[in-house]
Amino acid sequence: AQSVTQLDSQVPVFEEAPVELRCNYSSSVSVYLFWYVQYPNQGLQLLLKYLSGSTLVKGINGFEAEFNKSQTSFHLRKPSVHISDTAEYFCAVSDQNGGSQGNLIFGKGTKLSVKP
Amino acid sequence: DAMVIQNPRYQVTQFGKPVTLSCSQTLNHNVMYWYQQKSSQAPKLLFHYYDKDFNNEADTPDNFQSRRPNTSFCFLDIRSPGLGDAAMYLCATSRAFRNTEAFFGQGTRLTVV
Repeated sequence: AQSVTQLDSQVPVFEEAPVELRCNYSSSVSVYLFWYVQYPNQGLQLLLKYLSGSTLVKGINGFEAEFNKSQTSFHLRKPSVHISDTAEYFCAVSDQNGGSQGNLIFGKGTKLSVKP
Repeated sequence: DAMVIQNPRYQVTQFGKPVTLSCSQTLNHNVMYWYQQKSSQAPKLLFHYYDKDFNNEADTPDNFQSRRPNTSFCFLDIRSPGLGDAAMYLCATSRAFRNTEAFFGQGTRLTVV
């Protein structure tokens, strides 16, 4: 079974500052990794995903994440945030071995609050 | 253009009164999911369909049922809603499992009074 830990429940940051949202996972098998964003009263939207290959993954809205297998981490970063990035961010994993066990397992989320 | 559509966006129901939430997709995806998301918590998978094959998560209460009459539509039925069932319900689709992106609807916020 997999689990996901998002270490920070809330991250306040000033506009144009850099931000890192942390995600660690636990799994006995290889996993795929995802970051989703959820704006207030909306569904989830995929920011980026790691399937294989380069460990640095670039996504939408200027976000990127780096997969670190030895540290079982997949931290999300943005060099300069905007007010519009205020949202909740979810890290998720799925089992590479697939079948119905390949469903997404989400972390508890990190609320990013960007202040002017 | 919305690809996963959930209706209604907001639903108020009485304690114990059956309620149905609906989801439709224009993506022709094989897999459809229902998640429950309570305030400040991660989405929790209730069940999913791969085509017509239904898979219920082990800890999903019997109070929750689902129907998928065709590829495009999927319904969540709550037979006797309790106060603890108040949550955001998210429908999602994907082409397959594992490494394919899941597309989410905007959710239905259920209030139980």
